[in-house]
Amino acid sequence: DAMVIQNPRYQVTQFGKPVTLSCSQTLNHNVMYWYQQKSSQAPKLLFHYYDKDFNNEADTPDNFQSRRPNTSFCFLDIRSPGLGDAAMYLCATSVTGTGIEKLFFGSGTQLSVL
Amino acid sequence: GDSVTQMEGPVTLSEEAFLTINCTYTATGYPSLFWYVQYPGEGLQLLLKATKADDKGSNKGFEATYRKETTSFHLEKGSVQVSDSAVYFCALSPNRDDKIIFGKGTRLHILP
Repeated sequence: DAMVIQNPRYQVTQFGKPVTLSCSQTLNHNVMYWYQQKSSQAPKLLFHYYDKDFNNEADTPDNFQSRRPNTSFCFLDIRSPGLGDAAMYLCATSVTGTGIEKLFFGSGTQLSVL
Repeated sequence: GDSVTQMEGPVTLSEEAFLTINCTYTATGYPSLFWYVQYPGEGLQLLLKATKADDKGSNKGFEATYRKETTSFHLEKGSVQVSDSAVYFCALSPNRDDKIIFGKGTRLHILP
């Protein structure tokens, strides 16, 4: 009964080779998020969509892009991955109106860069 | 800016021991506060939350009280089990905002 699904669970790419991570949800939530989580560090918000409105965090590198073609799907594109981009990438969803009640997370995609 | 600081791990305890994981925050206004838990191989899931000062969140035997005077939200459990082994994240959401900011996480190991 997975509600936020991330594919693949593990992704290996080469230095500089574009890679796309995907996230889908069955919750019909209006907000979707991408977080980057490096080992022993806090999950760091990269960007989020409020419906179709894209909200980029100020310190998110230009190398990271995102697409949300519809309510259910959201993609994270890394145009030219560097070794420092190896991390767990977490997708999350929520319903908001007057603040967050709860985030629903997927299991994450562990990205390795060779 | 808004931030969360939680105690460094790993924390190792014996089964049935008392647990405290400290968390303090910096935020303007009155944020909502959360504890999330991440079991091995799984995504983060909400453990408990509190939305205003002096609120106590509780779930699965865990408790945390929103202390505005000390800007803290410490996680406690009276008797831990091996199944509580996981990484615990303290987090805040600025009021009327659609973002959550996380601490670095504290890994908890419970020995049988």
